[in-house]
Amino acid sequence: QSALTQPASVSGSPGQSITVSCTGTSSDIGSYNYVSWYQQHPGKAPKLLIYDVSNRPSGISNRFSGSKSGNAASLTISGLQAEDEAAYYCCSYTNRSTRVFGGGTKLTVL
Amino acid sequence: EVQVVESGGGLVKPGGSLRLSCAASGFTFSSYTMNWVRQAPGKGLEWVSSITTTSRYISYADSVKGRFTISRDNAENSLYLQMNSLRAEDTAVYYCAGGWSNHFDYWGQGTLVTVSS
Repeated sequence: QSALTQPASVSGSPGQSITVSCTGTSSDIGSYNYVSWYQQHPGKAPKLLIYDVSNRPSGISNRFSGSKSGNAASLTISGLQAEDEAAYYCCSYTNRSTRVFGGGTKLTVL
Repeated sequence: EVQVVESGGGLVKPGGSLRLSCAASGFTFSSYTMNWVRQAPGKGLEWVSSITTTSRYISYADSVKGRFTISRDNAENSLYLQMNSLRAEDTAVYYCAGGWSNHFDYWGQGTLVTVSS
């Protein structure tokens, strides 16, 4: 199972919006609405931001939103803040009943 | 308050074995699918294994299939990972993560496994 494809890095200025893409295949993202997104600050455990493509857990800011089209998913962060600087990972359920992560995207807030 | 605490990591020689444990509290452990996710130094996240609530369904990444065994004890709110035939490429921080469905709601802080001679 190959990893989902994410850009290595994205950047944006405070207040702007950015989008992180996550490309899979018909065996994972394309077949299930089980895409989730995680934020990880250096030296910390990952934190769930989005589950089932577009749902936010309790306590997660509505500045974070998710969507999916075909074999690709995306995470949008609006109103960028300095504390959003972190690594972001997508994850999908697969047709082999496994899970697969993306390679991760490093967000820099300029 | 949700707490997930991994233990059992350490230094082991190639070909050796190690058993990781995960103690969970603050949520209904027996209702959550439990998982192991690992992260090699400076690298991204890699899903390792999942076990459903009653242990009926278990799955593994191809990279560990046949060498690692996941198990759980709902009476003790605990998750385990028996790792055999360890290789240098298994060196990573291993996270225990619980999920209501096909995602990971709760994470521990991880335990470091180093495979080196």
